[in-house]
Amino acid sequence: EPEVTQTPSHQVTQMGQEVILRCVPISNHLYFYWYRQILGQKVEFLVSFYNNEISEKSEIFDDQFSVERPDGSNFTLKIRSTKLEDSAMYFCASSERLGGFQETQYFGPGTRLLVL
Amino acid sequence: QKEVEQDPGPLSVPEGAIVSLNCTYSNSAFQYFMWYRQYSRKGPELLMYTYSSGNKEDGRFTAQVDKSSKYISLFIRDSQPSDSATYLCAMSATGANSKLTFGKGITLSVRP
Repeated sequence: EPEVTQTPSHQVTQMGQEVILRCVPISNHLYFYWYRQILGQKVEFLVSFYNNEISEKSEIFDDQFSVERPDGSNFTLKIRSTKLEDSAMYFCASSERLGGFQETQYFGPGTRLLVL
Repeated sequence: QKEVEQDPGPLSVPEGAIVSLNCTYSNSAFQYFMWYRQYSRKGPELLMYTYSSGNKEDGRFTAQVDKSSKYISLFIRDSQPSDSATYLCAMSATGANSKLTFGKGITLSVRP
């Protein structure tokens, strides 16, 4: 069964460093998303991406964050200058464009980011 | 008032029990309702998807949406130890392929 994959599974970085989290969405999906989950808190929406541009973003997704689809298969989240509060599990998701059940989002296993 | 609230748990039941999981929400614009299951160290996995009010059944799982009360439920019949996981409700105003707002999740443990 097709699935969303994410790399790395864990990343430790120093405060102020740039990190890039990578995702390979399901191949025929057209919508891509990033969510994050701080330990013990809700899964929170960060950004959605369609047709090579951001469709929607939350207030969390400030100028420190950017997303890119550098080729036909990868979708990346970049954090330019990490802060301690960026420590979280980051989930990538993807969905098809069609209506109904096909719209639903399929999540990857996540990248656990720890900022020291 | 938080947009989506979910019973805090954790919840522990014996095998074979009927489990009821609930979420309330405040945003009347929500029309698309989902339940995700999350196993430890994994991403959320879609269980049920419902548009607007009503019931939907899939095997041992039933999802109910009451938009008038802003209340959604997931029922699990004949619960199994393999159902032990965290259950997250999620909802959207504009479609299942739009921004999802999640509840905090409830951890369910089914004892053999």
